[in-house]
This record gives sequence, C-alpha cells and structure tokens, in this order.
Amino acid sequence: GAVVSQHPSWVICKSGTSVKIECRSLDFQATTMFWYRQFPKQSLMLMATSNEGSKATYEQGVEKDKFLINHASLTLSTLTVTSAHPEDSSFYICSAKGGTSDNSPLHFGNGTRLTVT
Amino acid sequence: GQNIDQPTEMTATEGAIVQINCTYQTSGFNGLFWYQQHAGEAPTFLSYNVLDGLEEKGRFSSFLSRSKGYSYLLLKELQMKDSASYLCASMDSNYQLIWGAGTKLIIKP
Repeated sequence: GAVVSQHPSWVICKSGTSVKIECRSLDFQATTMFWYRQFPKQSLMLMATSNEGSKATYEQGVEKDKFLINHASLTLSTLTVTSAHPEDSSFYICSAKGGTSDNSPLHFGNGTRLTVT
Repeated sequence: GQNIDQPTEMTATEGAIVQINCTYQTSGFNGLFWYQQHAGEAPTFLSYNVLDGLEEKGRFSSFLSRSKGYSYLLLKELQMKDSASYLCASMDSNYQLIWGAGTKLIIKP
C-alpha cells in the first residue's frame, strides 16, 4: 500500500529558530500533499494543500510567510516553521492521496512533534 | 455550514462489540472515511463508503446512509489494542475532507 514517510519524528527547537519537516511519498507520486496540525485532544486541522510545481494553498488563518511549503518534486513536500514560538508547539502531520482518483483515501506520515522552548 | 458529529468518548469491554456513530453535513458528498489514531501517532485509514450499505473488513465494518447523513463504524471482538481515537471524515464536493473531532474508545478488560 501507499507509504508516506515524514521526518523528523520529533524536534525541540529554541524560540526564534526555524524548523524544516519533510514529507515523502515512498512508492507513489503525489502531485498533492496536505499538511495538518493537531493540538492535544483536538481534531486534525488542515493548514495547507501543497501542490507540486506551484504555490501552496493555505487555509484561512494560516500565515503563509510563517509556514513555508515547498513541493519541488512529485515525491517530496517540505514544511518550514519560521521564527518558531512556543505557541507553534504541536503535532504536524503530512498526508497524500494514495491513488489517482479524487476520492482516494489519504495516507498519513507518522507525524512530527514540535516543541518550541 | 459543514459539520461532523461523533461522540467524544465511549467505553467498551474486551471481546464485546461497539458501534461508533457519525452524522455529517457537508457541501456535496464524495464519500465517508474512518480513520484510527492511537495516542501520539498519525491516523491510519480504516474504511471508505460512498454507497449506502455495510462494508465489512475483518473485525471492522462501516455503514453508510446517504439519505440520513449517517455512518457508523462497528468493531467486533474488541481487543485492548483497539483503544484509540476513531475519526470520521466526510469528503465534500471539492474532494476536501471535513474531519470530526474523533471518538476516544476505551477498552476495559
């Protein structure tokens, strides 16, 4: 089945620094990947849709200059949290559709737990 | 507006059966997904329904009624490892997933 790999699994950084999270589709090409954020005991919140070769589409309320998304190839999307603050501490999860149909199920990476001190 | 409702928490006994309900209201409909999410981990895909009826997959089954905007996930022969959150998500007319808040399932021996 479709496999999505996300790295790193967890990261601790100091306030003001930037952190890059990678999301790779290992056995399929993903023209579209999705980035989610999840706070404890809350549901998934879609942050942005990452489109290969074009700009990402951000959800309302998500700062595009703070959360930089790059989808340079069909198998790799990156999310960079710039000038991180403690309130950015969260569980970040990427996902990609495992098939070519619009209603193909999403397959998720293992997530990245970010802690900003 | 778009809305997904599912119970916040349920408790069941090992070996028993539990049904987790989900009601949805979305702009258009392109299917209903169920995901399992263990604490601290990312969600994993369980099932997809787009036609009315019951889809059985081992110990897990999922049901859909489009006319009622209703789905349920049925877990049989519960095992301790089934303790997790179960997320219901409806896909709208733009093929975007609208997520429920998840149902935390607690399995007791």
